[in-house]
Amino acid sequence: DAGVTQSPTHLIKTRGQQVTLRCSPISGHKSVSWYQQVLGQGPQFIFQYYEKEERGRGNFPDRFSARQFPNYSSELNVNALLLGDSALYLCASSPQIDNQPQHFGDGTRLSIL
Amino acid sequence: RKEVEQDPGPFNVPEGATVAFNCTYSNSASQSFFWYRQDCRKEPKLLMSVYSSGNEDGRFTAQLNRASQYISLLIRDSKLSDSATYLCVVNGGDSSYKLIFGSGTRLLVRP
Repeated sequence: DAGVTQSPTHLIKTRGQQVTLRCSPISGHKSVSWYQQVLGQGPQFIFQYYEKEERGRGNFPDRFSARQFPNYSSELNVNALLLGDSALYLCASSPQIDNQPQHFGDGTRLSIL
Repeated sequence: RKEVEQDPGPFNVPEGATVAFNCTYSNSASQSFFWYRQDCRKEPKLLMSVYSSGNEDGRFTAQLNRASQYISLLIRDSKLSDSATYLCVVNGGDSSYKLIFGSGTRLLVRP
């Protein structure tokens, strides 16, 4: 079975642009979460979606938004990109929204010039 | 104070050594605890869940002390392939079950 898949793998943008990152969860997983990881730090929670509803939001500005589709895939959108948005963006899925571990995709490495 | 604190290391040990990592967490409402392993420029991968009774998976042993809000990971007979960053992870203790990561402890196993 395929794991969590994310696209694109790498992306280069300039300040002020907008970006959309995509994630397909493991088949049968209904919960998708997004995390941002900057160099030297652990991943930071951005959003969690379950059954197409937002169930959690981290300490990120309103420039960050996300949604989940009926097939449980998800998109993360970031507007008005800043240099500080350069990071590895990770998507994780789990079967339900509960205490089970989350499984991560390979991530999208976003560089802002 | 960080929600999950870990010694960043690096821990530099010879093959065959036993090494222990510790972490503390601040939210007493957290209910799930994990160790993830992350190789350079790769995604975090689940190493093991951590249970109150302690649990073992081959060379790896994890312990949880809820009273002290303390989690540990013991690696016995270290292999070169164990070189990685080990992330201590707890859930947020709220309805989102978000994961809160420590900054990681870097392990280098030398021949």
